Amino acid sequence: NAGVTQTPKFQVLKTGQSMTLQCAQDMNHEYMSWYRQDPGMGLRLIHYSVGAGITDQGEVPNGYNVSRSTTEDFPLRLLSAAPSQTSVYFCASRLGLAGHYEQYFGPGTRLTVT
Amino acid sequence: AQKITQTQPGMFVQEKEAVTLDCTYDTSDQSYGLFWYKQPSSGEMIFLIYQGSYDEQNATEGRYSLNFQKARKSANLVISASQLGDSAMYFCAMRFGGGNKLTFGTGTQLKVEL
Repeated sequence: NAGVTQTPKFQVLKTGQSMTLQCAQDMNHEYMSWYRQDPGMGLRLIHYSVGAGITDQGEVPNGYNVSRSTTEDFPLRLLSAAPSQTSVYFCASRLGLAGHYEQYFGPGTRLTVT
Repeated sequence: AQKITQTQPGMFVQEKEAVTLDCTYDTSDQSYGLFWYKQPSSGEMIFLIYQGSYDEQNATEGRYSLNFQKARKSANLVISASQLGDSAMYFCAMRFGGGNKLTFGTGTQLKVEL
């Protein structure tokens, strides 16, 4: 199993550009999430999904869109990048079974918006 | 609202000694869980240990143990016999919302010295 994979590893955008961060998992996990990590702060939840076709907002959803068309993939879209979105982005997934709460994280995408 | 507080921005410990990393939490939920994650300088998030709010015994995983004091709302991580490879950032996190959402503390940077 590859686990949770994220692409790209690094990205530089200009203000106003759009892009999609990719996340995929091969563990047949129902739940997937996106977090951002800023210096001096813990991770903050952006959006999450409890299964294909179902998404919901987290703590900091503004400026980001998600969709979940398959169990495996959960892309994060930045519609019009802003310098405030400079951050490290982590995707995570977990089983949908009660009692299985451990979230598996991808390696992260480091995004810089100039 | 759920909140995690880690009051130690940085800690030093000598190799082979034990160290305790503090974590306090605030929630009005009856069902919740506490996690500890390790983030080495390479950036990935590594799951260490989990404790559910209804678990009566403190969780242990190898050299890691979670000192869970529900009345005090604390979930401290104890690392026994520290190794140089334990040098990393450590995050305490709490699950809520059915387990799909995690809220993180700001982390403790641990440095293990010879």
